[in-house]
Amino acid sequence: GEDVEQSLFLSVREGDSSVINCTYTDSSSTYLYWYKQEPGAGLQLLTYIFSNMDMKQDQRLTVLLNKKDKHLSLRIADTQTGDSAIYFCAESPSGTYKYIFGTGTRLKVLA
Amino acid sequence: GAVVSQHPSRVICKSGTSVKIECRSLDFQATTMFWYRQFPKKSLMLMATSNEGSKATYEQGVEKDKFLINHASLTLSTLTVTSAHPEDSSFYICSATSGSGRVAGELFFGEGSRLTVL
Repeated sequence: GEDVEQSLFLSVREGDSSVINCTYTDSSSTYLYWYKQEPGAGLQLLTYIFSNMDMKQDQRLTVLLNKKDKHLSLRIADTQTGDSAIYFCAESPSGTYKYIFGTGTRLKVLA
Repeated sequence: GAVVSQHPSRVICKSGTSVKIECRSLDFQATTMFWYRQFPKKSLMLMATSNEGSKATYEQGVEKDKFLINHASLTLSTLTVTSAHPEDSSFYICSATSGSGRVAGELFFGEGSRLTVL
């Protein structure tokens, strides 16, 4: 099947780290993505990782990829209230633009 | 990044009427556009893939006569919800690319259009 799964909610305190997890199913996916969606808005690409990488760091964001377990995670260091949003992981089977999105994780940052 | 704009951002219509949503690429030529539907607290569901000058390719379970997609130019795709019913109420998002799909980060999303059918 082509299901990408995420937990629905995550709540953290401002300044703590957030870790959002994702399990995907298609081993042919060339790229895996993390998108951020703020209320009433479209999707903003946060970061992506190529399938032959284990880790990618981009400022406060760290992406970890475990291909064996088909597990992807996004760590946000020093989480801020502005990070409150829904975070979607997505895979692109065989490098196409027919992305398959996860269910989204709603991150709530408490001041 | 490149800009993709949708219009209208919100629309309310009566049951039985048709509604058109536009998706424009403002600073690049979009050879391919995608239309997604997002249900509350759910993921984005790909509805169709639209290539300029050709018929859209619909995903399984999406009624092509219900959701008419036109990609008449390299900067504009339209989604028309025909004979709308309350169950068509949803958040519709388009995305666009000028690329081949083999390079990451070349897909850009619109802001979304919220349709409410009364």
